[in-house]
Amino acid sequence: EDKVVQSPLSLVVHEGDTVTLNCSYEVTNFRSLLWYKQEKKAPTFLFMLTSSGIEKKSGRLSSILDKKELFSILNITATQTGDSAVYLCAVETRGGAQKLVFGQGTRLTINP
Amino acid sequence: DAGITQSPRHKVTETGTPVTLRCHQTENHRYMYWYRQDPGHGLRLIHYSYGVKDTDKGEVSDGYSVSRSKTEDFLLTLESATSSQTSVYFCAIRPQGGNQPQHFGDGTRLSIL
Repeated sequence: EDKVVQSPLSLVVHEGDTVTLNCSYEVTNFRSLLWYKQEKKAPTFLFMLTSSGIEKKSGRLSSILDKKELFSILNITATQTGDSAVYLCAVETRGGAQKLVFGQGTRLTINP
Repeated sequence: DAGITQSPRHKVTETGTPVTLRCHQTENHRYMYWYRQDPGHGLRLIHYSYGVKDTDKGEVSDGYSVSRSKTEDFLLTLESATSSQTSVYFCAIRPQGGNQPQHFGDGTRLSIL
């Protein structure tokens, strides 16, 4: 059975801190790994990772994939209160419909 | 904006009643998906569609059916709602071509009393 596990499930830090969110997976027919940010409504896309060791970066957020050890991390530097959200990791499987298997999410709270 | 509209946005109904949720997209995407989100479970795939009249089951399909008679609409039906189906339901689309992520609608919050 395909499985995606995120840790920690919840994290509270102060504004300005750096955080690292973890995602490990056991999935047959791996195609890619995706990170989403979910505030009040729809998950919004952050990164898609397909190759090991290549860092993807967008402003203060970055992510990397290790396909040998089957995990990914999402880093956020100089956190701001607007980074407070649930961060979802999902693995996309190969095949026509390319389905997503999600982890439970990490709830990140940034205190001023 | 991925051009996805879910309706209704909120619904409260009673156990045993039929419920239909609608997902409407404006950009002719072939692939559409229905997920449910519950505390401690992330999002779980219910059903998906890869074209008009082409649908298949996801990991939590029991108690749900879907239909796609037009490219733009993907309907999720609970034939006889149960309290365990109280959840937030998200529709997603995936654009074709290359490495494209799924994009999500704003969700429908469904409460079964």
